[in-house]
Order: sequence, then structure tokens, then C-alpha cells
Amino acid sequence: QKEVEQNSGPLSVPEGAIASLNCTYSDRVSQSFFWYRQYSGKSPELIMSIYSNGDKEDGRFTAQLNKASQYVSLLIRDSQPSDSATYLCAVMDSSYKLIFGSGTRLLVRP
Amino acid sequence: EAGVVQSPRYKIIEKKQPVAFWCNPISGHNTLYWYRQNLGQGPELLIRYENEEAVDDSQLPKDRFSAERLKGVDSTLKIQPAELGDSAVYLCASSLGGGLAVNEQFFGPGTRLTVL
Repeated sequence: QKEVEQNSGPLSVPEGAIASLNCTYSDRVSQSFFWYRQYSGKSPELIMSIYSNGDKEDGRFTAQLNKASQYVSLLIRDSQPSDSATYLCAVMDSSYKLIFGSGTRLLVRP
Repeated sequence: EAGVVQSPRYKIIEKKQPVAFWCNPISGHNTLYWYRQNLGQGPELLIRYENEEAVDDSQLPKDRFSAERLKGVDSTLKIQPAELGDSAVYLCASSLGGGLAVNEQFFGPGTRLTVL
């Protein structure tokens, strides 16, 4: 059973801080990795995709991938109360199936 | 560009009744997905279409669930009869399909189903 593991949280950070969200996966041959943001009562919204080892930056978001350690992370700089949401890590397996973690709930305190 | 469209947004039915959900993907997206999301969990794939062909339906409970994607554009997911455990949010997503870089999936607003 291919798995994607996330800490359910909540992760609480003060406004302006860096929020660090982590994810591990079990399928070594996975090639594509995604972070989705999901506000309460809404559908998942794609915020980052990463395919190669290293860092990928987009505005206040940085995704980090380490395939050897089977580890993906998302850093949110200058966190804002509007970033409060559940962040879903998703990993695509060799059959192009997207496996989601259960999500980490982030709370940004004003 | 319009996003993925789903209807209805909410549905409340009695158990054993049928229900259907409709999805129209982003224009030009060949791949369409149906997911189910239970409270506190990530979405789980039910079925994936490449154009008209269902290429992965291994997670679809075929005794009560059915899906179709006629003409390779919009799609319908049906449950008959519904059970209490089917209460969940049903999400449709689409992607361009093809190679690695174009596998980003975009979700519609979902249909929240409540079975009483």
C-alpha cells in the first residue's frame, strides 16, 4: 500500500513567521510531487509542484524535495492569517495515480 | 479560463436512493478524475479517464457506483443505491494528461453528499 504521511497538526505559527510543513512517502519510484491548499469547506487548490531534488520557489512558497530520503516539504515565508488552511501533500505514483496525505492544518496567529 | 465545473454543489438524499453528479473539465484537458474525500482525509481516486476511456477504476465500488464520459468531455458519476457510508465530498479534477510536466490536476468545487 503506497502511503503519504503528514502530521495532522494543527501547526500554529505567529504572523510573519516561517511555517514548515513536512511529508514523507513510501513509493521510491514516485516522480511528481504536489502541494495543495484547502480552506475549510472548499476544494483543494494547487499551489506548488516539484519534480527534481532541491528547492523550488514561488513567491512566499518554497517546496523542497529529497528523493533519497523520500521527503517533501513546503515552507511558507512571512505567514499571514489568510494562509490558515489544511495543506495536502500529494505524490504521483508510476501509474500516474495521485496519492494524497491526510493534510496538515496550519493556523497563523495574528 | 473557466475552471472545472461541478453540479450540484450539495445533495441530501435518503439511503437506497440514486444520485448523480456532473462534471465539466477545463477546456482542452483530456484527463478527468473523480475523487471522494471524507472528513479529515485527503481525496481518494475513484476513477480516471483518458479521453473516453476509463484507465483506472480499481477503487470504484462497481456494485453501486458507475461513471461515464461520453465524447471525452463532461462526465457523470452515479451511485445507486446510496448507503449511509457514501456521505462525503465528491470531487472532479482534470489535467492536460501526457508527460510528467503536465500532470498537474485542478479540482472543481465538489459536491457535498449527505445520505440520511
